Amino acid sequence: EVQLVESGGGLVQPGGSLRLSCAASGFSFSDSWMTWVRQAPGKGLEWVANIKEDGTEKNYVDSVKGRFSISRDDAKKSLFLQMDSLRVDDTAFYYCGRGTVVSAWGRGTLVTVSS
Amino acid sequence: DVQLTQSPSFLSASVGDRVTITCRASQGINSYLAWYQQKPGKAPKLLIYAASTLQSGVPSRFSGSGSGTEFSLTISSLQPEDFATYYCQQLNTYPITFGQGTRLEIK
Repeated sequence: EVQLVESGGGLVQPGGSLRLSCAASGFSFSDSWMTWVRQAPGKGLEWVANIKEDGTEKNYVDSVKGRFSISRDDAKKSLFLQMDSLRVDDTAFYYCGRGTVVSAWGRGTLVTVSS
Repeated sequence: DVQLTQSPSFLSASVGDRVTITCRASQGINSYLAWYQQKPGKAPKLLIYAASTLQSGVPSRFSGSGSGTEFSLTISSLQPEDFATYYCQQLNTYPITFGQGTRLEIK
C-alpha cells in the first residue's frame, strides 16, 4: 500500500524557517517524481514544487522561488521542503504527493505563519 | 502562467443526476490535464489524467474529455459519495496550476 506521511509543520513567526519531511513507503520512491501542493484553510489547491526522480530537475511556483527548496533522500525514501523567509500567506496545509500527476497524497501537515 | 477557469464554481444536484464540470485553459495545454476530487478534511484524490484516462480504482461513472483549451469532467449518475469539490490541473507548462475548484452539493 502506498503511504506518504508528512511532518514538520507548526507555528512560526514571519521571516522564520521550517523544514517539512515526507516519509514514503509502498512504492519505488527512487523512480518517482515527487510533488508538494499546499492549500490555505478554506481555499483551493496550489502547486508548490516538484523534483525529478534523480533530483536533477526542480521546479517551483514563482511565489516561493528563492525562499523554498525541495530535496529528496532516496536511501531514506524521504522528500523534504525547506521553507525560509516565511510569510503570513504561506499559511496552509502542505501535502506531499507521488508523481507530477499526483496519484497518491499524504494527509498533509499544517504550517501557520503568524506573529 | 496558464490560468484554468472552472465552471460552475458551485453546483447543486441530486443523486442520480448527470453533471458536467468544465475547465477552460488560458492557452493550449494539449491533453495534459488531470481531475481531482476532494472531500472536507481529506487529501485530494486523482480521478482522471491525460484528460480522459480513468485512474485505477475510480468508478466508471466518471469520465473526462477535451484537448487544447476546453475540458470537461462528467459524472453520469451522481452517488451520495460524489458530493465533494473537484479541481482540474494542467501539467503542460510550468508552473503547474489548478483551477479554482467546483463545489458539488446535494440539492
